Amino acid sequence: EADIYQTPRYLVIGTGKKITLECSQTMGHDKMYWYQQDPGMELHLIHYSYGVNSTEKGDLSSESTVSRIRTEHFPLTLESARPSHTSQYLCASSEWQTYEQYFGPGTRLTVT
Amino acid sequence: ELKVEQNPLFLSMQEGKNYTIYCNYSTTSDRLYWYRQDPGKSLESLFVLLSNGAVKQEGRLMASLDTKARLSTLHITAAVHDLSATYFCAVDDKGGSEKLVFGKGTKLTVNP
Repeated sequence: EADIYQTPRYLVIGTGKKITLECSQTMGHDKMYWYQQDPGMELHLIHYSYGVNSTEKGDLSSESTVSRIRTEHFPLTLESARPSHTSQYLCASSEWQTYEQYFGPGTRLTVT
Repeated sequence: ELKVEQNPLFLSMQEGKNYTIYCNYSTTSDRLYWYRQDPGKSLESLFVLLSNGAVKQEGRLMASLDTKARLSTLHITAAVHDLSATYFCAVDDKGGSEKLVFGKGTKLTVNP
């Protein structure tokens, strides 16, 4: 059973605020990912990490940043939120043998 | 660059009917994944296909992989309303990045 957690689940915030979306997994997976998904649309990879102190930008340009100081923790930060950041953010981690990705419950962000 | 195409993107079917969703991809890979997403929710793993000819079945869903044709199918047998969801296929990008490239998703609606 995959255990990956995201907080908050829902967030409504004003323009210009700094926010951090939390993602934690208890499976010891080295690889972790952040995706952005608008309702009913495809997933876009925005950041990924192969392990501690490793972070890479994904296929979709994003104004967010990530860090990976601990294996189990992969937070995403927006320094100055804008309405265009309104979306669902999904965190995932992958198992080393099959590369199967396990997804967290998501954070639905609304920037007003 | 790996491209993943699903079709159809929208599928409305009657309960009790059979149908197949197709997932084509553009470059060599032997790892393919199917996920289900309910509205407003995260992604749930359905099938992991790791070799040519792999076939997996769970209830009314059966997935197969033909790596030579670069094609996976998700077959629905005797559809029921509970299968209504969006189904994504994802392919391992063997370019060394260990990322998954997702299709746009197939939104399935099963009508009583």
